Amino acid sequence: NAGVTQTPKFRILKIGQSMTLQCTQDMNHNYMYWYRQDPGMGLKLIYYSVGAGITDKGEVPNGYNVSRSTTEDFPLRLELAAPSQTSVYFCASSSSNGNTIYFGEGSWLTVV
Amino acid sequence: QQQVKQSPQSLIVQKGGIPIINCAYENTAFDYFPWYQQFPGKGPALLIAIRPDVSEKKEGRFTISFNKSAKQFSLHIMDSQPGDSATYFCAAIDGSSNTGKLIFGQGTTLQVKP
Repeated sequence: NAGVTQTPKFRILKIGQSMTLQCTQDMNHNYMYWYRQDPGMGLKLIYYSVGAGITDKGEVPNGYNVSRSTTEDFPLRLELAAPSQTSVYFCASSSSNGNTIYFGEGSWLTVV
Repeated sequence: QQQVKQSPQSLIVQKGGIPIINCAYENTAFDYFPWYQQFPGKGPALLIAIRPDVSEKKEGRFTISFNKSAKQFSLHIMDSQPGDSATYFCAAIDGSSNTGKLIFGQGTTLQVKP
């Protein structure tokens, strides 16, 4: 029972590079989310999706892009990486509004 | 206001003590208030949750107290154990938005000393 799976677990990027954080869930959940976690700041929502083909911005979307071509996958794209994007990224999913949200184990990203 | 304010930022208690973590919100449209527990190197996991029509909810050693008029809620951990050492986040959802978006507090790092 995999749940929400994120890859890679750790990555070091140089300033200006681009990369994609992968997220897949095997629970047939419609709702998916990307959060970033910075020390002492809680988790901030980057982007979310309420179903395949539908995405919308969260609190901190600048510098990121997402797509949702299938129910299972919700990749997060970082374009032109900046040191401010050094963070821990969490993907999450839920079956519907107000139900339990399940988190992946996180992706640690450092931009140098 | 789409904010949830959480305090304290960190907390140290002895084994058997009752740590209390407090949260406050402004948005009266919030209608679901979960608490998440996070261990180092792991993602947050749902611990316990409450809806505003209930003033208290208990699950094992964990209790949420909810004060709708004050727009405050708190987590109490009874008979705390070293294994409870983790970061705790309160959160809120505006159900009317139909997005399931969690708005998180800033987190509280709890250390339970043996």
